[in-house]
Amino acid sequence: DAEITQSPRHKITETGRQVTLACHQTWNHNNMFWYRQDLGHGLRLIHYSYGVQDTNKGEVSDGYSVSRSNTEDLPLTLESAASSQTSVYFCASSEGRGVSYNEQFFGPGTRLTVL
Amino acid sequence: AQKVTQAQTEISVVEKEDVTLDCVYETRDTTYYLFWYKQPPSGELVFLIRRNSFDEQNEISGRYSWNFQKSTSSFNFTITASQVVDSAVYFCALSESTGGGNKLTFGTGTQLKVEL
Repeated sequence: DAEITQSPRHKITETGRQVTLACHQTWNHNNMFWYRQDLGHGLRLIHYSYGVQDTNKGEVSDGYSVSRSNTEDLPLTLESAASSQTSVYFCASSEGRGVSYNEQFFGPGTRLTVL
Repeated sequence: AQKVTQAQTEISVVEKEDVTLDCVYETRDTTYYLFWYKQPPSGELVFLIRRNSFDEQNEISGRYSWNFQKSTSSFNFTITASQVVDSAVYFCALSESTGGGNKLTFGTGTQLKVEL
């Protein structure tokens, strides 16, 4: 069955370290997204991609970067982790390049703690 | 800019009660899409329903029903005869068509607790 996976599921790191969170989907979806979930804020969009070599900034992109070298993967990198980036991170994908009406399928989430 | 408001932070009900979760949205687009997602205690996000801005028909799926009213910019979700398994955080989300692609703007969520 097609799925979307994230790794690691839990990560503890120190302030200033570079961290990469992996997202892999086997749906063959063009669209991929990264969100962070914080109490009182719901889910907020960090970065998104509508296809290979396409990346775009979302609402809360400062301190994060992504790259899309193939259809299946969209890794999220925290260049220099900060305590404010402690959060639960969700990756999602949807079909149809940039199409508005398709539902997104979410990964299981990565809980990141920055000490 | 688009915005989704879920004013109810937390709702507690007793099993078998009906409960309505409110969602109010703001958008300048005439074509847009609204979604509801469920996040049970296990943490995953589960898609429940999609509604486009041209379809104001209410929808019913088992114990779940959705009421979309463009006049009040609301897309409310009702659970009839609630069950303990309905306990979760419910998110309403908006996707615009104009330059918005498939990005979702989420509300802050409503925590529903159903007790015996």
